[in-house]
Amino acid sequence: DTAVSQTPKYLVTQMGNDKSIKCEQNLGHDTMYWYKQDSKKFLKIMFSYNNKELIINETVPNRFSPKSPDKAHLNLHINSLELGDSAVYFCASSQDLFVDTQYFGPGTRLTVL
Amino acid sequence: AQSVTQLGSHVSVSEGALVLLRCNYSSSVPPYLFWYVQYPNQGLQLLLKYTTGATLVKGINGFEAEFKKSETSFHLTKPSAHMSDAAEYFCAVSPSLYDGGSQGNLIFGKGTKLSVKP
Repeated sequence: DTAVSQTPKYLVTQMGNDKSIKCEQNLGHDTMYWYKQDSKKFLKIMFSYNNKELIINETVPNRFSPKSPDKAHLNLHINSLELGDSAVYFCASSQDLFVDTQYFGPGTRLTVL
Repeated sequence: AQSVTQLGSHVSVSEGALVLLRCNYSSSVPPYLFWYVQYPNQGLQLLLKYTTGATLVKGINGFEAEFKKSETSFHLTKPSAHMSDAAEYFCAVSPSLYDGGSQGNLIFGKGTKLSVKP
């Protein structure tokens, strides 16, 4: 069983479109995250959710919005996609926010044309 | 601001040779430290982590790392490289709350790609 899963694995779309990436974890964890990995492999946290509350919101454009329907899911919605949004997006989860191991999903490669 | 520096974006070793991947952090208060590995087209997997206690930490796949507070370093080593170790390795810190960190906020280095030659 996959611990952290993401769909889709690949997403190709046009500039200006709106898209969503779904994430689900079956580990019973309380905290979930979204990371962006750019073309140079640099990873940066975008959001984290703890018990359905947004805990961290770094300097991410408000075109990006996380949505958590329940503790096991944290979806990423992106409006008005731009070329610079092309990247690999990783979802992760951990038991809590305190020093705990984060388990990563396989990633979603987003390409904006 | 907290930062993580990984020296060498690409390290190449021969199979059976020592692997040494370097990581330094900037923090006035010791943070929590992690090494993650990313195999091609996959997500990240935890190798090992240091929180408190013994400064030499053993992880999976024969890797270990030593926390040296005086050098603000957390270098990753493996005595004998295997072909299957070829991957991207990321050092990360979770800054202490006493140093302006946010809970759960992992800050990653830029990664080191390890190549293993037969």
